[in-house]
Amino acid sequence: DTEVTQTPKHLVMGMTNKKSLKCEQHMGHRAMYWYKQKAKKPPELMFVYSYEKLSINESVPSRFSPECPNSSLLNLHLHALQPEDSALYLCASQIGGSPNEQFFGPGTRLTVL
Amino acid sequence: AQSVAQPEDQVNVAEGNPLTVKCTYSVSGNPYLFWYVQYPNRGLQFLLKYITGDNLVKGSYGFEAEFNKSQTSFHLKKPSALVSDSALYFCAVRERVPSNTGKLIFGQGTTLQVKP
Repeated sequence: DTEVTQTPKHLVMGMTNKKSLKCEQHMGHRAMYWYKQKAKKPPELMFVYSYEKLSINESVPSRFSPECPNSSLLNLHLHALQPEDSALYLCASQIGGSPNEQFFGPGTRLTVL
Repeated sequence: AQSVAQPEDQVNVAEGNPLTVKCTYSVSGNPYLFWYVQYPNRGLQFLLKYITGDNLVKGSYGFEAEFNKSQTSFHLKKPSALVSDSALYFCAVRERVPSNTGKLIFGQGTTLQVKP
């Protein structure tokens, strides 16, 4: 299995809702990433997990809460989002070591009303 | 400050013609260099990378990239473009550090449009 899966594909939520995004990989990668991407812009790094521990938080607002329950699974919990948080949320994983490429999932298209 | 520049927002090329998508970088040391492609409403797909060695790197779907240290460039090339190559292309660099979670620094992206 050489892919990163993300669910759901699309999500529409109100500003008072709580929802979660899920990312899964079974490649044995020990680094996992959350990115936010606006249309036709590069991905913006949000969080990095290394060996299930949060190693980088790019000053992301607390309404986004990441979780890494095990080495294959990464969640992003969403609460009280703003309309400007509407974007494509991408998950990526990487085998250890900085020369190695990241494998990206297809993303979750989030719309906040 | 570390940065990656893709000077062209869009590149237009006719099918069958060679294509070049440009990338220059400003990163200390000898970074690792990557190209990714993104089709509409999809995640990024890895195309190729430069770690060390031969300056011409071959990757997926017939793409290749030329590393030029003196010009700090890593231009993406393909000898004969296909309509299906039309997509958004990102150049990215990462510092050569021991950490296994080194951050990728992305360029702004270049839209490639291949016309039949």
